[in-house]
Amino acid sequence: QKEVEQNSGPLSVPEGAIASLNCTYSDRGSQSFFWYRQYSGKSPELIMSIYSNGDKEDGRFTAQLNKASQYVSLLIRDSQPSDSATYLCAVSLGGGKSTFGDGTTLTVKP
Amino acid sequence: GAVVSQHPSRVICKSGTSVKIECRSLDFQATTMFWYRQFPKKSLMLMATSNEGSKATYEQGVEKDKFLINHASLTLSTLTVTSAHPEDSSFYICSALGGPDYNEQFFGPGTRLTVL
Repeated sequence: QKEVEQNSGPLSVPEGAIASLNCTYSDRGSQSFFWYRQYSGKSPELIMSIYSNGDKEDGRFTAQLNKASQYVSLLIRDSQPSDSATYLCAVSLGGGKSTFGDGTTLTVKP
Repeated sequence: GAVVSQHPSRVICKSGTSVKIECRSLDFQATTMFWYRQFPKKSLMLMATSNEGSKATYEQGVEKDKFLINHASLTLSTLTVTSAHPEDSSFYICSALGGPDYNEQFFGPGTRLTVL
């Protein structure tokens, strides 16, 4: 079992829809959770971090964390073609080092 | 804020030569930086953790004598690929640890290395 698992996708949604990206992790001691966006040929960009159970909203992005279920998700509202990218889930036990999932590729169709 | 640069962005070298890649945190100090490599359509593979003023910590399977890491200041870490071979061709990305709780990674733009 991988430490951080994501649906590989690809996930395709129409423009304006909600895109839902999911991630599960295996280590119950995990403290910090991150979502990165990576465009093809580019490096990852941090878009959300979440540390406590519940929802955290930033613009069109909402991160949801459920430590009991070892589950973290990212919702993208009003999806735009520019949101088309690979989204990486990262989990940290602390100390800065993170374990990354393999990523989910999202395509938003105009 | 939290800008990380890498240089060069792209390098082509001959087999057997060494290549140095620089990673700089431009607007914050980074005690800890990380080096990754990424193959096409694959996830990030952590190579090593670079700590300012101390030896780097390498992940299992990464040859420390081949991938030399130096973190001589709070804003600069370097990765030197020694005696490069075609199988070392990859996308190398650094990140620097920052943020309000010092646990967020901010990535450089990456260096695409091609070894002929």
